[in-house]
Amino acid sequence: AQRVTQPEKLLSVFKGAPVELKCNYSYSGSPELFWYVQYSRQRLQLLLRHISRESIKGFTADLNKGETSFHLKKPFAQEEDSAMYYCAPLWGNYGGSQGNLIFGKGTKLSVKP
Amino acid sequence: GAVVSQHPSWVICKSGTSVKIECRSLDFQATTMFWYRQFPKQSLMLMATSNEGSKATYEQGVEKDKFLINHASLTLSTLTVTSAHPEDSSFYICSARVVKAGVTTDTQYFGPGTRLTVL
Repeated sequence: AQRVTQPEKLLSVFKGAPVELKCNYSYSGSPELFWYVQYSRQRLQLLLRHISRESIKGFTADLNKGETSFHLKKPFAQEEDSAMYYCAPLWGNYGGSQGNLIFGKGTKLSVKP
Repeated sequence: GAVVSQHPSWVICKSGTSVKIECRSLDFQATTMFWYRQFPKQSLMLMATSNEGSKATYEQGVEKDKFLINHASLTLSTLTVTSAHPEDSSFYICSARVVKAGVTTDTQYFGPGTRLTVL
């Protein structure tokens, strides 16, 4: 069965420190991978996705197929980065017809001043 | 950007009653919408996939007769919790898929969620 693991429930860093939020997924085909973020009292929103290879708000994520990981990284954390982060592989047929997001349990990032 | 709304944002009802939650895509058409349930301090659990003009696809363990989903138009999906009980109290979130031709992946936009409390 498809599975996604975010081992850290809470990650606390100081402003300016590097941050890495871990995500591992169980291998079953080739999932597309997303990171979603939920700021306090806001809805869930897309942060970045693997295929676009873009950097959003300074965050990047590299897919490591050998380790089946998709860790989220930022070199210098900011206080406004404090939020819940969810790793979400998308399994299923692509092209818009099928596919479901499977959410990890999430990691709460707290950036202290 | 794509905006998804939910109504109501919160609802309190008595045990045994039914509650309908609406999910609307405001500025785009959504052939597929998803319904999630989120318990406090837990992740989102997919309940069902709602396809416009066809029956919803429910995840294993989700009661079809209890959580009725209707996706009658390209901008509206509804989730009706029938004969609600206190254990149905939860945060229900919908999302809508934006499909772009020629792109092999897609993005989901999420609604703000609906807090259901069953007394």
